[in-house]
Amino acid sequence: DVKVTQSSRYLVKRTGEKVFLECVQDMDHENMFWYRQDPGLGLRLIYFSYDVKMKEKGDIPEGYSVSREKKERFSLILESASTNQTSMYLCASSLSPRNTEAFFGQGTRLTVV
Amino acid sequence: ELKVEQNPLFLSMQEGKNYTIYCNYSTTSDRLYWYRQDPGKSLESLFVLLSNGAVKQEGRLMASLDTKARLSTLHITAAVHDLSATYFCAVGVLGGSNYKLTFGKGTLLTVNP
Repeated sequence: DVKVTQSSRYLVKRTGEKVFLECVQDMDHENMFWYRQDPGLGLRLIYFSYDVKMKEKGDIPEGYSVSREKKERFSLILESASTNQTSMYLCASSLSPRNTEAFFGQGTRLTVV
Repeated sequence: ELKVEQNPLFLSMQEGKNYTIYCNYSTTSDRLYWYRQDPGKSLESLFVLLSNGAVKQEGRLMASLDTKARLSTLHITAAVHDLSATYFCAVGVLGGSNYKLTFGKGTLLTVNP
């Protein structure tokens, strides 16, 4: 079974802090994704990566950056956290660019105070 | 911009009844996915539909895809309480050399005894 692991289930951070959310997958998947999930808005794509050191903006990249130094690890960075970034963050991976069945991690609920 | 619309967004039904959730999307795609999310949990893949006319069934759930109508349905037969969850459809669209998934807002299903 594919396993996608996010480093934290719950995080509380202060406004202005730099925040790192880590995600690791163990199935040698090429694609990795970061989504945020908010009530009434569904899942929205922040960034995705289809190869090491490659990244592409999703639908809502503002205020976020990403890093993919190794194939199995994809990090989401909030450069200066703000209260409107309080949300559930979901990491996902898929096998290849044309095999888009995505497997999700357990999610990180981030609260910015 | 791809739009994915699910309806209804909220569905309360009695055990034993049948119902259908609809997923409409606004641009050509040949791949559609259904996911289930339990409260506080991550998303679990239910069905992968990769061609026009595709039909998949698992237990009391059946999903179908009509690419010409840009419509997928998730049919629930003889609902039971365990099916209570939020159901998302996601549409894959090719952007460059990669497919990107866009999610609907989700349908919150409550099955009452």
